[in-house]
Amino acid sequence: DADVTQTPRNRITKTGKRIMLECSQTKGHDRMYWYRQDPGLGLRLIYYSFDVKDINKGEISDGYSVSRQAQAKFSLSLESAIPNQTALYFCATSYDQNSPLHFGNGTRLTVT
Amino acid sequence: GQSLEQPSEVTAVEGAIVQINCTYQTSGFYGLSWYQQHDGGAPTFLSYNGLDGLEETGRFSSFLSRSDSYGYLLLQELQMKDSASYFCAVRDPNQGGKLIFGQGTELSVKP
Repeated sequence: DADVTQTPRNRITKTGKRIMLECSQTKGHDRMYWYRQDPGLGLRLIYYSFDVKDINKGEISDGYSVSRQAQAKFSLSLESAIPNQTALYFCATSYDQNSPLHFGNGTRLTVT
Repeated sequence: GQSLEQPSEVTAVEGAIVQINCTYQTSGFYGLSWYQQHDGGAPTFLSYNGLDGLEETGRFSSFLSRSDSYGYLLLQELQMKDSASYFCAVRDPNQGGKLIFGQGTELSVKP
C-alpha cells in the first residue's frame, strides 16, 4: 500500500464547481504539502502544514483552500474551479524540514 | 526569494554519462536536493548535498559548490529506464524550510 494516497486519481469538472482533492498518509509525518505541476513550470507549492493547527500559504494559494483534518489527512479544495486550474496535483509529506519529501501518485484535474 | 535554473531537455545514449546542471539564487541556503519523476508519476528523492563536494549513490552522483551557487546531477552507465524528468530543489529558510523546485530537466535516453 502507498504511504501517501491521493484521491481521486483523475477528475474532470466544470467551471464554477467546488471540488476537493484528498490526501492521506501512513508515514506518521507532521509536515504535509500540496503542489501543483504544469508542463515546463515544475512543482509549485500551493499550501503547506507543519502540524494539525498550522496552515500556511505557498507560492500560488489564490483560488485554493486546505483543511488539515488530522495528522494523517490534508485536503485541497478549489472553491470555484476555473480552466487554468487544470493541472497535476501532488500531495507530499516530510518528517522534518531537513528530510526528503514523499509524494503521492498525484491527481490529474481537468476543468472544462 | 529563491530561484533555480536547469536545462529543459537533455538527450543521451544508453551506456553514456550525462550531467544535469542546476544554478540557484537564494537568500539563505539549506542544501540542494534532486528528485526524479517518470511520466507524470510521483517524484522520488534521489540525493541531497548540504556541503560542497560529491555525493555518490550507485550510478548517480550529485555535486555542490556553494561558492558558485551551482550543483549537478551525474548519471553514469545510462539505462533506458533513466528517461525521466529531474528536478533540483532548495529549501526556503524564510518559510520553515519548504522546498522550492526548479522547472525540471527532461532526460531522454536513446538506444
